[in-house]
Amino acid sequence: NAGVTQTPKFRILKIGQSMTLQCTQDMNHNYMYWYRQDPGMGLKLIYYSVGAGITDKGEVPNGYNVSRSTTEDFPLRLELAAPSQTSVYFCASSTPGSSGNTIYFGEGSWLTVV
Amino acid sequence: GENVEQHPSTLSVQEGDSAVIKCTYSDSASNYFPWYKQELGKRPQLIIDIRSNVGEKKDQRIAVTLNKTAKHFSLHITETQPEDSAVYFCAASSNRDDKIIFGKGTRLHILP
Repeated sequence: NAGVTQTPKFRILKIGQSMTLQCTQDMNHNYMYWYRQDPGMGLKLIYYSVGAGITDKGEVPNGYNVSRSTTEDFPLRLELAAPSQTSVYFCASSTPGSSGNTIYFGEGSWLTVV
Repeated sequence: GENVEQHPSTLSVQEGDSAVIKCTYSDSASNYFPWYKQELGKRPQLIIDIRSNVGEKKDQRIAVTLNKTAKHFSLHITETQPEDSAVYFCAASSNRDDKIIFGKGTRLHILP
């Protein structure tokens, strides 16, 4: 089972460039999330989506955009990359139920902005 | 919005001893509290979770307790082993806005 798949795994961007981090899941989960994790730090929620066509801001949305045109895909767009966006980005998905809301993470995308 | 505080940020315990990590949350509507373990260079993975209608849950050497009144929840690891060395994250989630907010993490070192 693939689970949550993120691409690319590693990327170096120059200041001002744009890029899209791709995320797809094959578990038919309704909910999808993007988190960033700075070195030695915790996970900060960037954006999340509770279903196709619906997106909401998380804790740190500035400098990012998302879209959710299908249940499977939740790409994260960085416009005008800045050094402060150097981080590890994790996509995740879940389907909340009566037993809770276990989220499953992708393997992460390491992004460096120079 | 929800705010999750986690302590300590670093914890060193002798192999075989117990480790306790504590979290507090701010939103009384939060009703689901998972704990994740992250090994170096890897993705976070769920190790145990608890819902607000339960006070304690145990899975082998790992247990989680929840005090809804005080908005505290804790992770207990007994008989620690070298493979328990990792970063542990607590999180809180509610039905109201479906966000899952994480604490800043605790780096656990198991000393030989």
